[in-house]
Amino acid sequence: DTEVTQTPKHLVMGMTNKKSLKCEQHMGHRAMYWYKQKAKKPPELMFVYSYEKLSINESVPSRFSPECPNSSLLNLHLHALQPEDSALYLCASSPPGDRGTDTQYFGPGTRLTVL
Amino acid sequence: QKEVEQNSGPLSVPEGAIASLNCTYSDRGSQSFFWYRQYSGKSPELIMFIYSNGDKEDGRFTAQLNKASQYVSLLIRDSQPSDSATYLCAVAGGTSYGKLTFGQGTILTVHP
Repeated sequence: DTEVTQTPKHLVMGMTNKKSLKCEQHMGHRAMYWYKQKAKKPPELMFVYSYEKLSINESVPSRFSPECPNSSLLNLHLHALQPEDSALYLCASSPPGDRGTDTQYFGPGTRLTVL
Repeated sequence: QKEVEQNSGPLSVPEGAIASLNCTYSDRGSQSFFWYRQYSGKSPELIMFIYSNGDKEDGRFTAQLNKASQYVSLLIRDSQPSDSATYLCAVAGGTSYGKLTFGQGTILTVHP
């Protein structure tokens, strides 16, 4: 089973709202990732959690706040977003490996629209 | 120079032909190489990974890696209209330890 699930599938929020995106995997993977993807562009890495600790933050604005409550769950808390933050938000996970990053499996994504 | 470059598209091939997708990378320390397929509005789906020089075959897909030339390719044999998608090359390891670096993607269209 190589399934990563994400909820919600779609989210519309105003600039003053607070919302959260959720990602879950039950494959025993120990690294989890958040990406942002704009139309016709490749995914852009935001955060990496390794063994439930934040290991990479790609200088993401503080209005995005990641959280990893346990090894299966990853959240992305959103607050005071801007319309330009509208995008497809992808979660991925990978098993532990010694090749820099092992194979990453992506979830279906959350389509976020900020009004 | 971009870290990962893919052949500019879009690429159009007739059904049944071989589609050839190419990717070059700049970091000689890179260790892992991936090809993802992404249909419009969907998330990337892993179709191949390769770590060692040479060819790796999986069904109609063949990945080729040449570390000396810093080149990785994906061949799709007997292309089908359902192969029409954006193909993303991704590289990991080296200075990008712990994360993937993606190319810009190549749009492939297979016409009947």
